[in-house]
Amino acid sequence: DGGITQSPKYLFRKEGQNVTLSCEQNLNHDAMYWYRQDPGQGLRLIYYSQIVNDFQKGDIAEGYSVSREKKESFPLTVTSAQKNPTAFYLCASGGQTDTQYFGPGTRLTVL
Amino acid sequence: GEDVEQSLFLSVREGDSSVINCTYTDSSSTYLYWYKQEPGAGLQLLTYIFSNMDMKQDQRLTVLLNKKDKHLSLRIADTQTGDSAIYFCAAPHEMNYGGATNKLIFGTGTLLAVQP
Repeated sequence: DGGITQSPKYLFRKEGQNVTLSCEQNLNHDAMYWYRQDPGQGLRLIYYSQIVNDFQKGDIAEGYSVSREKKESFPLTVTSAQKNPTAFYLCASGGQTDTQYFGPGTRLTVL
Repeated sequence: GEDVEQSLFLSVREGDSSVINCTYTDSSSTYLYWYKQEPGAGLQLLTYIFSNMDMKQDQRLTVLLNKKDKHLSLRIADTQTGDSAIYFCAAPHEMNYGGATNKLIFGTGTLLAVQP
């Protein structure tokens, strides 16, 4: 059953803590993406990776970090430097074309 | 750079047709996309159209593309309460040409509310 999984679905963090959001895909896609969605707003690109061991900053990379050690996995770390991390985080992957397929999302809340 | 714009809200009655509109700026766009997002969920690829087409129909969905005006629309026939969601239009980023990236630029989304 091919697709993209994100975990956890809900995540709570205390101020000053780093947290890591998981994103896994078994679609054999080269490209993977992380987006942030705030209430009533569109998607903003945090980081993207077009190939293993390589990634690029998106429009709002400050306070976030990523790694791409395996084709299937693209974890996102929200660091304590991110001033307003409460949001809905979406992971996507894509193949040869521009088409992107999304995971179910992780809702992060800072307490 | 590419910019994609949509109206924020549309309200229709169950059984009526819904038309969601989108404008984009980059005339070189290849594929243009429509995604659907239900509450608390990720984005689901609904349909897409290649830029050399004027229309694409898929069951209750009709996509119309006016390349001259850079206008894309999604028509949902016989709208049901299950169609209530946010609909996003997306176009490739200008950096995609030449294979530099595969980024998409998303509109802010149109909230479709279907009244019973």
